[in-house]
Amino acid sequence: EDKVVQSPLSLVVHEGDTVTLNCSYEVTNFRSLLWYKQEKKAPTFLFMLTSSGIEKKSGRLSSILDKKELSSILNITATQTGDSAIYLCAELTNAGKSTFGDGTTLTVKP
Amino acid sequence: DTGVSQNPRHKITKRGQNVTFRCDPISEHNRLYWYRQTLGQGPEFLTYFQNEAQLEKSRLLSDRFSAERPKGSFSTLEIQRTEQGDSAMYLCASSPPTGTGYNEQFFGPGTRLTVL
Repeated sequence: EDKVVQSPLSLVVHEGDTVTLNCSYEVTNFRSLLWYKQEKKAPTFLFMLTSSGIEKKSGRLSSILDKKELSSILNITATQTGDSAIYLCAELTNAGKSTFGDGTTLTVKP
Repeated sequence: DTGVSQNPRHKITKRGQNVTFRCDPISEHNRLYWYRQTLGQGPEFLTYFQNEAQLEKSRLLSDRFSAERPKGSFSTLEIQRTEQGDSAMYLCASSPPTGTGYNEQFFGPGTRLTVL
């Protein structure tokens, strides 16, 4: 079975800090890596990464994929309390199957 | 609301009973996924449909689980002879057709199952 590992498992920071979340994967037939944010409900989509080295950016969030290292990072700058959530990454294969990591729980304190 | 919908939102059942959940994807989305999520873990892939065809099924899925998507629109997930270990949030997601490959999945609110 394919495996996706996220680190750290949890992180506590103060508002204004910058955080980097890590995701590594070992997967056959890889197509894309996706990042999601999950609060007290279903995951909501953040980014999809297919090509190595191309940064995707949305406001204070950005992400990049390194296919050589089989990894991706999610950066959040100037964190706010509303960023507190579980951040999930998932790899998607060409066959359409997706495997999620167990997530990083981010807590942003005022 | 044109998002993914799931029914029921909550289900409490006794061990040994059968349960069925329904998922209505976003219109025009031809791909539909079922996941199971327990506390502290990411969603665990169960199965995947493209239109009415079930293309992938997790090897972790026992024979007590079955899913259908008979007309390529809504889908049902049935669990027979439920066990306490089946207690979890069952999530459905859909994604649109694309000529270039797969893209993001839109999740429904989930059905929380509690097996007593």
